[in-house]
Amino acid sequence: NAGVTQTPKFQVLKTGQSMTLQCAQDMNHEYMSWYRQDPGMGLRLIHYSVGAGITDQGEVPNGYNVSRSTTEDFPLRLLSAAPSQTSVYFCASVGSGNTIYFGEGSWLTVV
Amino acid sequence: GENVEQHPSTLSVQEGDSAVIKCTYSDSASNYFPWYKQELGKRPQLIIDIRSNVGEKKDQRIAVTLNKTAKHFSLHITETQPEDSAVYFCAASVQYGNKLVFGAGTILRVKS
Repeated sequence: NAGVTQTPKFQVLKTGQSMTLQCAQDMNHEYMSWYRQDPGMGLRLIHYSVGAGITDQGEVPNGYNVSRSTTEDFPLRLLSAAPSQTSVYFCASVGSGNTIYFGEGSWLTVV
Repeated sequence: GENVEQHPSTLSVQEGDSAVIKCTYSDSASNYFPWYKQELGKRPQLIIDIRSNVGEKKDQRIAVTLNKTAKHFSLHITETQPEDSAVYFCAASVQYGNKLVFGAGTILRVKS
């Protein structure tokens, strides 16, 4: 198993650009989520999905869009990037026993 | 919604001493309380967790205690070592591993 795979690892965007952070897992987990991590604030939940075709908002959903067309993939879209979205993004899936598997993270800078 | 507060924000201890990090939560329905260790540039790693039907859990030098009445839980690390130096996060959830709400983190420095 590759676990949770995120791409890209690093990205620089200009204000107003759009982009998609990719997330894939090969463990057949139903539950997937996206968190962002800012200095001094811990991780905050952006969006989550309890299964294919089902998504919902977390704590900080504004400016982000998600879809879950398959169990494996859960992409995060930035619609119009803003400097406030400069952060580290972690995708995660939840397995049996509620074990959370985090991806390696995506470092995003918006200039 | 749930709110998790974590203290202290930084903690320095001598090698061999114990370290204690405390978290409080607001939602009495929370039933799952994991602790994560994060090294610089790495993903968070689960080090120990506890569920609401248990008061204490121990794994070698690491232990977690939960007081549901007071709505707080604590991480205890004994015989600290330099490799314990990292940022530690507590979290709480009303859906076990789902929809975690994290504390702001504690920077632990173990001085040798």
